[in-house]
Amino acid sequence: DTGVSQDPRHKITKRGQNVTFRCDPISEHNRLYWYRQTLGQGPEFLTYFQNEAQLEKSRLLSDRFSAERPKGSFSTLEIQRTEQGDSAMYLCASSLALPTEAFFGQGTRLTVV
Amino acid sequence: DAKTTQPPSMDCAEGRAANLPCNHSTISGNEYVYWYRQIHSQGPQYIIHGLKNNETNEMASLIITEDRKSSTLILPHATLRDTAVYYCAVMNTGFQKLVFGTGTRLLVSP
Repeated sequence: DTGVSQDPRHKITKRGQNVTFRCDPISEHNRLYWYRQTLGQGPEFLTYFQNEAQLEKSRLLSDRFSAERPKGSFSTLEIQRTEQGDSAMYLCASSLALPTEAFFGQGTRLTVV
Repeated sequence: DAKTTQPPSMDCAEGRAANLPCNHSTISGNEYVYWYRQIHSQGPQYIIHGLKNNETNEMASLIITEDRKSSTLILPHATLRDTAVYYCAVMNTGFQKLVFGTGTRLLVSP
């Protein structure tokens, strides 16, 4: 296991379409996070899971966004009815119980046209 | 959540120490300071973190002021590969999430 893996790396979609991203965390990590990053900004927290439980969601996570982590392993982030404002880099991170370091994946860059 | 403020850009000569400052004046007593860096189109890479004591690892040193309102990341001998955006972040109370600033773009030149 070499780190956090995200798929796809790039996604171009038309406005109004649904998209789903996948994150595979480091295997022994029980915490998984989703962040969003727009150009010139630092990553912004979206949501986090401890095992399979989703314990916190940001106000940034509108009703069109949903995240799951079945069985406490990989996680998916779905965006329904995409809008141009959803264009961003979506980052996944995993960790053991904090305050240890959280390791980030390479991200999925979403472009909504 | 505590906020962080960083200068937007800094330059450093190769081989010299790079000292990157971060202001986190609203930090709470049990909130940690983290540093990450990000090279274009890649995910953030963890560098170091600390609570109140100075910390050192193989990548960098972290100096936190006694009042914890600011910190400095030190890269002792910067190389060209250290050119990146460096983010200072605070781990919020409850250890649930990192709150990032807008980062400092460090350019290391020959």
